Amino acid sequence: AQSVTQLDSQVPVFEEAPVELRCNYSSSVSVYLFWYVQYPNQGLQLLLKYLSGSTLVESINGFEAEFNKSQTSFHLRKPSVHISDTAEYFCAVSDTRGGSQGNLIFGKGTKLSVKP
Amino acid sequence: DAGITQSPRHKVTETGTPVTLRCHQTENHRYMYWYRQDPGHGLRLIHYSYGVKDTDKGEVSDGYSVSRSKTEDFLLTLESATSSQTSVYFCAVRFGPNEKLFFGSGTQLSVL
Repeated sequence: AQSVTQLDSQVPVFEEAPVELRCNYSSSVSVYLFWYVQYPNQGLQLLLKYLSGSTLVESINGFEAEFNKSQTSFHLRKPSVHISDTAEYFCAVSDTRGGSQGNLIFGKGTKLSVKP
Repeated sequence: DAGITQSPRHKVTETGTPVTLRCHQTENHRYMYWYRQDPGHGLRLIHYSYGVKDTDKGEVSDGYSVSRSKTEDFLLTLESATSSQTSVYFCAVRFGPNEKLFFGSGTQLSVL
């Protein structure tokens, strides 16, 4: 079984500053990795995902995450945040074998608060 | 939004009453999921379905049952609601195991 640990429950940051949201996972098999974002009073939306290939993946709004197999991490970064990035961010993992093992396991979330 | 509709959006009920939440999708996704979201716990999987009449339990399935008689509908039932089931419930769908999840807008359930 997989598990996900998001090391920070809340991250306050000033606008235009860089940010890193940390995610570590545990698994005995190969995994897919995801970051989802939840804006207030909405459902979750996919931000980016790692399936295979390049270990650095990017989203359309400037976020990036790097898969580090040796450290079992998938940290999310943005070099300069905006007020509109204020949201809760969830890291998730799934087994590559699919079927019932392919269900997503979510971390507990990190609330990013961007201050002017 | 992948054509996902959750109903109702809000519900207040009393302890011991049955409650059914509905998830309806219009894009023929094979996989459907029910999650609950609680502060400090993130999202936890209640039940999931990988086809019509094919369902299985997630990590927090006690006190919940599901049914999927049609591709487009996935029902979550609380047989006898308890205060610990006060939560926000999200339905999610996807085409395959390495595809992204699309989430509904959620149902806020309060059990008094």
